[in-house]
Amino acid sequence: AQSVTQPDIHITVSEGASLELRCNYSYGATPYLFWYVQSPGQGLQLLLKYFSGDTLVQGIKGFEAEFKRSQSSFNLRKPSVHWSDAAEYFCAVTYDKVIFGPGTSLSVIP
Amino acid sequence: SQTIHQWPATLVQPVGSPLSLECTVEGTSNPNLYWYRQAAGRGLQLLFYSVGIGQISSEVPQNLSASRPQDRQFILSSKKLLLSDSGFYLCAWQGSPNEKLFFGSGTQLSVL
Repeated sequence: AQSVTQPDIHITVSEGASLELRCNYSYGATPYLFWYVQSPGQGLQLLLKYFSGDTLVQGIKGFEAEFKRSQSSFNLRKPSVHWSDAAEYFCAVTYDKVIFGPGTSLSVIP
Repeated sequence: SQTIHQWPATLVQPVGSPLSLECTVEGTSNPNLYWYRQAAGRGLQLLFYSVGIGQISSEVPQNLSASRPQDRQFILSSKKLLLSDSGFYLCAWQGSPNEKLFFGSGTQLSVL
């Protein structure tokens, strides 16, 4: 069965520190891959997506993600976190349908 | 431009009562349509998706059902609500698999 895992339920980082959020998917073929962010009380916003080509993709708000086929991973990164990045982050994959990971809650310490 | 309407925004229903949540999409044709339930710490749980009129795929055995009577209308229903049906329900549409999802504003359902 198709599934998406985000091993870290909650992460706390200091403002200005680097960030990496993990995402793994389980299925044979490479799906379309997405990262969404949900700020408190807000809807989901697309950060970036990957479906072919360069395995390092750039998104909005200074985020990037790297697709690694050998590891079935699509980890999200940001070199320097801002306090406004505190939010819930969801990895999602599409095969015939869109399924989401459980999310990672990010807290930022000033 | 494309828009998605979902209503009602909030709903309080007694256990055993029926449910009908409606979602409509404008400005596109033949979208893929989705119903999700969002619970804290569990992300978005896919409930139903549809690739066309009358075509419904159910992902989780439960007390709910979905229908797509028109191309851009997606309805989530229940004949008898359970306490466990409480949650935040999101409708979404997607033009094609490599495109992002567009979400409705959600319905907060409380079953008492």
